[in-house]
Amino acid sequence: AQTVTQSQPEMSVQEAETVTLSCTYDTSESDYYLFWYKQPPSRQMILVIRQEAYKQQNATENRFSVNFQKAAKSFSLKISDSQLGDAAMYFCAYRSEGADKLIFGTGTRLQVFP
Amino acid sequence: SAVISQKPSRDICQRGTSLTIQCQVDSQVTMMFWYRQQPGQSLTLIATANQGSEATYESGFVIDKFPISRPNLTFSTLTVSNMSPEDSSIYLCSVSVSGGLTFFGPGTRLTVL
Repeated sequence: AQTVTQSQPEMSVQEAETVTLSCTYDTSESDYYLFWYKQPPSRQMILVIRQEAYKQQNATENRFSVNFQKAAKSFSLKISDSQLGDAAMYFCAYRSEGADKLIFGTGTRLQVFP
Repeated sequence: SAVISQKPSRDICQRGTSLTIQCQVDSQVTMMFWYRQQPGQSLTLIATANQGSEATYESGFVIDKFPISRPNLTFSTLTVSNMSPEDSSIYLCSVSVSGGLTFFGPGTRLTVL
């Protein structure tokens, strides 16, 4: 069975600085998807970024980028130029190719200080 | 993308009663999913709801406790039956769309007294 591990329960960053959130996963599959979701206090789950395992190029979405290391089964999220609105819980998630359900990590709470 | 709405957004219920949560999507989707997020925890899949067939439940979740309906391709309901305080959670509906993306509804915050 696949598992997702987020080893940082909490992280903090100064506004305008850069922070990296860690995620590792365990799978025997070769084709899959990885995601980062943001959950602010409003509890809405917001998709931040997606990575297809077959793509070597790291995904980027504006200030958000990932460092995908397939061999190491690592999928970290880098937030550049942090903003107060980035403060939220961040969940890493795994999805098998051909399946639709997501397997989530335990989350990392990000605090952003002015 | 998909726009998903849920009703109610929150509720406070008495022990032993049942609550039905509605999920509406703005486009037709094959699969809809129901997740539970207990206080301070991550999301756990309850079941997958396919239109025209019985829902598929994950280990630890049973139909008698969490009956699900899926009458058409844009709508689903989840009922939390015979509630106890341990059922206090956020319940989230989600859908998968082409391209491998999964979107979530705003969630229903349930408190059981």
